Amino acid sequence: NAGVTQTPKFQVLKTGQSMTLQCAQDMNHEYMSWYRQDPGMGLRLIHYSVGAGITDQGEVPNGYNVSRSTTEDFPLRLLSAAPSQTSVYFCASSYSTYRDTNTGELFFGEGSRLTVL
Amino acid sequence: GDSVTQMEGPVTLSEEAFLTINCTYTATGYPSLFWYVQYPGEGLQLLLKATKADDKGSNKGFEATYRKETTSFHLEKGSVQVSDSAVYFCALRGRSGSEKLVFGKGTKLTVNP
Repeated sequence: NAGVTQTPKFQVLKTGQSMTLQCAQDMNHEYMSWYRQDPGMGLRLIHYSVGAGITDQGEVPNGYNVSRSTTEDFPLRLLSAAPSQTSVYFCASSYSTYRDTNTGELFFGEGSRLTVL
Repeated sequence: GDSVTQMEGPVTLSEEAFLTINCTYTATGYPSLFWYVQYPGEGLQLLLKATKADDKGSNKGFEATYRKETTSFHLEKGSVQVSDSAVYFCALRGRSGSEKLVFGKGTKLTVNP
């Protein structure tokens, strides 16, 4: 059981470049989200989705774009990378709170470490 | 808005010492509370949770009690091991129907042999 899979695990970009962080889950979760983790800041929510075709902004959405065309995939796009986007990015998913199977637990990927020079 | 404040580390203990990591929260209504753990180089994983006042969550020797009167969810373990070295995050899920989690800043624990 793969769970939540993120790729790539490491990436170095130059300022102004664009890239996509991939996230896929095989648990049939409705809810998917992206967080960034920075020293002393904890985890901050970037974007989230409650189902295919539905996305919404989190706490720190600027500079990022998302789409949710399928239940399984939730890619995060950096449109024009900036040094301030150097961080570790985590994708997380869960069942909808409206499902009986929801336990409140978020399942996390292993993270993608991004450095912007 | 909803927020979580947890004890900032780092915390360094000797093996078999008692651990407490404080966590307090601000939220409207009745949030669910969680502790997540992040081992080096890995993603976060759920350690324990509590969904209503006076509930006690427990797992792997760790415990935390949901105290509504003090808006707290402190993490405790009676005897820590070297393998408990990790970063611990307190989190809450706010209003009913929302899957979003709000995290504290994390507390790094190092346990020395």
